[in-house]
Amino acid sequence: GEDVEQSLFLSVREGDSSVINCTYTDSSSTYLYWYKQEPGAGLQLLTYIFSNMDMKQDQRLTVLLNKKDKHLSLRIADTQTGDSAIYFCAESMDSGYALNFGKGTSLLVTP
Amino acid sequence: DAGVIQSPRHEVTEMGQEVTLRCKPISGHDYLFWYRQTMMRGLELLIYFNNNVPIDDSGMPEDRFSAKMPNASFSTLKIQPSEPRDSAVYFCASSSPLVGSTDTQYFGPGTRLTVL
Repeated sequence: GEDVEQSLFLSVREGDSSVINCTYTDSSSTYLYWYKQEPGAGLQLLTYIFSNMDMKQDQRLTVLLNKKDKHLSLRIADTQTGDSAIYFCAESMDSGYALNFGKGTSLLVTP
Repeated sequence: DAGVIQSPRHEVTEMGQEVTLRCKPISGHDYLFWYRQTMMRGLELLIYFNNNVPIDDSGMPEDRFSAKMPNASFSTLKIQPSEPRDSAVYFCASSSPLVGSTDTQYFGPGTRLTVL
């Protein structure tokens, strides 16, 4: 599939906000997703946004979508050490049901 | 529901041996996906099934890899013969996209495969 691009690494201090960015290529994607992977575990769905939305907020998480620029971001407010993990951006593929994942952004939260 | 179940969780084998990875999707889910995760290539989709039928296997690396889904509650990914470059974490995921709903995939814990 086409590439979903993410920065590989982000480090923030505990209590600060984290912003993880993603660019995707398929303008026909219906949904865009953020998954979280903790060490030694599988991927866990964090949140998703429908392509006709600009923003979605869910407690400490805010997802922003810029369809024109095909840019997706995940903001984590008041980042905690437990938020340290790899975060994957994903888009629906042309088939409609398979997802195209980015390579993941490794978030490190320092005390 | 117990979620997606994968076995074994860890597998260590020698080059040339046959390896079989197993997956039980979430009950009622009609899509099943196999992924491979490595540091170099990230998360790669290998194959996916809909209603037990393979839909897209273009991600399967080569003929040494095969996947089956004999029924709605079980799938296998087989590597024969295995090679050291097959060492990775293999994930199974399932989903049940409905009209008007999302195609959220639920992942199993993965099988960490090491081929010596």
